[in-house]
Amino acid sequence: SQQGEEDPQALSIQEGENATMNCSYKTSINNLQWYRQNSGRGLVHLILIRSNEREKHSGRLRVTLDTSKKSSSLLITASRAADTASYFCATDASYSGAGSYQLTFGKGTKLSVIP
Amino acid sequence: DAGITQSPRYKITETGRQVTLMCHQTWSHSYMFWYRQDLGHGLRLIYYSAAADITDKGEVPDGYVVSRSKTENFPLTLESATRSQTSVYFCASRAGTGINTGELFFGEGSRLTVL
Repeated sequence: SQQGEEDPQALSIQEGENATMNCSYKTSINNLQWYRQNSGRGLVHLILIRSNEREKHSGRLRVTLDTSKKSSSLLITASRAADTASYFCATDASYSGAGSYQLTFGKGTKLSVIP
Repeated sequence: DAGITQSPRYKITETGRQVTLMCHQTWSHSYMFWYRQDLGHGLRLIYYSAAADITDKGEVPDGYVVSRSKTENFPLTLESATRSQTSVYFCASRAGTGINTGELFFGEGSRLTVL
């Protein structure tokens, strides 16, 4: 089952507005990542935030992490039509024990930016 | 070209047939992964490999077989396809070893339909 869950499932905004997506997870993590997926394409890595970090920026992206609440948020500022995509958070989970952790993904937030 | 490529991109098969999806990466990444993406479930890990000749189960391994005789290739075989295996399959890779899960690089996906 998914470790992370995004909220909302879908978000529609006007171009120029900010978009905020949230991710909640269940168990302790080493890091949390955000990915983007354009329709019909593979996922593309956006940003990684480690468990000892609280905030990270990359261009128009701002990610926060609150390990006490087991939650993260992705903020896209001054959105553009080209930001229309699905956004996924991913956290590490152990599948076979023995310290082997692999990424598990949420179901994603579908963002539509209207020109 | 450098990167991660999947083939075929589209495949239609019948129940009971064997299907192999190919994945090739040119970075010599240690880790390779197979995920499936379904509406309502997001991405789920099927199998992963930490190195040549080392593979391990993910969240949904039943009905699938993998092998990794060479670092750059990680084929996924459905030995007897079922309709429930209709999905979009993504291969991914990452560098590095150990607990800290880094950035994944995804292929463009293989859309499989089982009739």
